[in-house]
Amino acid sequence: LAKTTQPISMDSYEGQEVNITCSHNNIATNDYITWYQQFPSQGPRFIIQGYKTKVTNEVASLFIPADRKSSTLSLPRVSLSDTAVYYCLVGDIRDNNQGGKLIFGQGTELSVKP
Amino acid sequence: DAMVIQNPRYQVTQFGKPVTLSCSQTLNHNVMYWYQQKSSQAPKLLFHYYDKDFNNEADTPDNFQSRRPNTSFCFLDIRSPGLGDAAMYLCATSSYRGVSGNQPQHFGDGTRLSIL
Repeated sequence: LAKTTQPISMDSYEGQEVNITCSHNNIATNDYITWYQQFPSQGPRFIIQGYKTKVTNEVASLFIPADRKSSTLSLPRVSLSDTAVYYCLVGDIRDNNQGGKLIFGQGTELSVKP
Repeated sequence: DAMVIQNPRYQVTQFGKPVTLSCSQTLNHNVMYWYQQKSSQAPKLLFHYYDKDFNNEADTPDNFQSRRPNTSFCFLDIRSPGLGDAAMYLCATSSYRGVSGNQPQHFGDGTRLSIL
């Protein structure tokens, strides 16, 4: 499974846009990129998933360049409640032998300040 | 609301005393997972079930076992807990839909296990 590298921590202020970049140089052709958010004492929560180009939902956008060796999670206008750990994961969601299993990297601890 | 429920939220056991953690789901998902998460670390996959097929990660200690008696329930058994097994244990589910692949995983809020 492709290994991911993210910044260990980031700081931001309320109302700013936050971009968290994840490197996955060994991404395979069939791999998808998935981001999860985790608050203390809670399980991770799915944010967004993509394969290429750009994906947008109600909470975030995911930008994936053509070579797919990196991806950027964009959180528009963050609030204090967005303070959490953000995980980037790469894997083949169609490979049933893997069971869609997720290998979590170290994650990025985002701290949003007033 | 459909969800993944883990009970209890906090579990205390004694060194070497077997303990069982439980997970139930109302999502009717065919895949269930168990993760271990130690303090300030990322979740680590222990094993998963695709329906009744059990898949163990290569580095999961033999001390950890799992049972899935039906679609809705999955159990994590730790036969002889050691101090190093103190962690948050997370259960997750997903739906594998053939050509569409696995849908994103839904996690419970975990059981925090303490070892005395």
